[in-house]
Amino acid sequence: EDQVTQSPEALRLQEGESSSLNCSYTVSGLRGLFWYRQDPGKGPEFLFTLYSAGEEKEKERLKATLTKKESFLHITAPKPEDSATYLCAVQARPSSASKIIFGSGTRLSIRP
Amino acid sequence: DSGVTQTPKHLITATGQRVTLRCSPRSGDLSVYWYQQSLDQGLQFLIQYYNGEERAKGNILERFSAQQFPDLHSELNLSSLELGDSALYFCASSSRLAGGAGTGELFFGEGSRLTVL
Repeated sequence: EDQVTQSPEALRLQEGESSSLNCSYTVSGLRGLFWYRQDPGKGPEFLFTLYSAGEEKEKERLKATLTKKESFLHITAPKPEDSATYLCAVQARPSSASKIIFGSGTRLSIRP
Repeated sequence: DSGVTQTPKHLITATGQRVTLRCSPRSGDLSVYWYQQSLDQGLQFLIQYYNGEERAKGNILERFSAQQFPDLHSELNLSSLELGDSALYFCASSSRLAGGAGTGELFFGEGSRLTVL
């Protein structure tokens, strides 16, 4: 069964303190791994798609990387506005069964 | 604004009742996904439609059903409601069967918060 596990559940950082969030996945064949950001009371907002091991994507202070077993979301010098829940999701092959499975998320809090 | 519209935003009802949640996808998007989000379960995939046809099913209860209409809007029907059905229900859309241009890029609505008393 396809599974996505995120750690830690919650992370509190001081402004400017860099860190990484982890997403471990188990799928029969990975079609894509996705990162989303969710603010309280809002729907998730798409950040990145990663397709294959070794791939990296960057957006502002965020960088996502992918290995065969896990993905990391690196946050460099975070600001309070980066506080949110970060969700990881996977889509398995074949794509005809196109469900996208989400992890439980990491609640990130950045203190000024 | 994602372009996905969900109604109602909030709904309070009693156990045993039936409710309908509505979703209008982004203009031109053919694929609609429904997710349930509760505090202890995270985002749980329920069902996906593509251009009116059911394409993928998750752990959707038999008491729940959905459909996508010719104008591409979708409805999620929840019946015989139980306390445990209280959750945020999200609709997401994409332009392609397996996600948007970037694959996996789903555009989420603001959700419908259901409270069952």
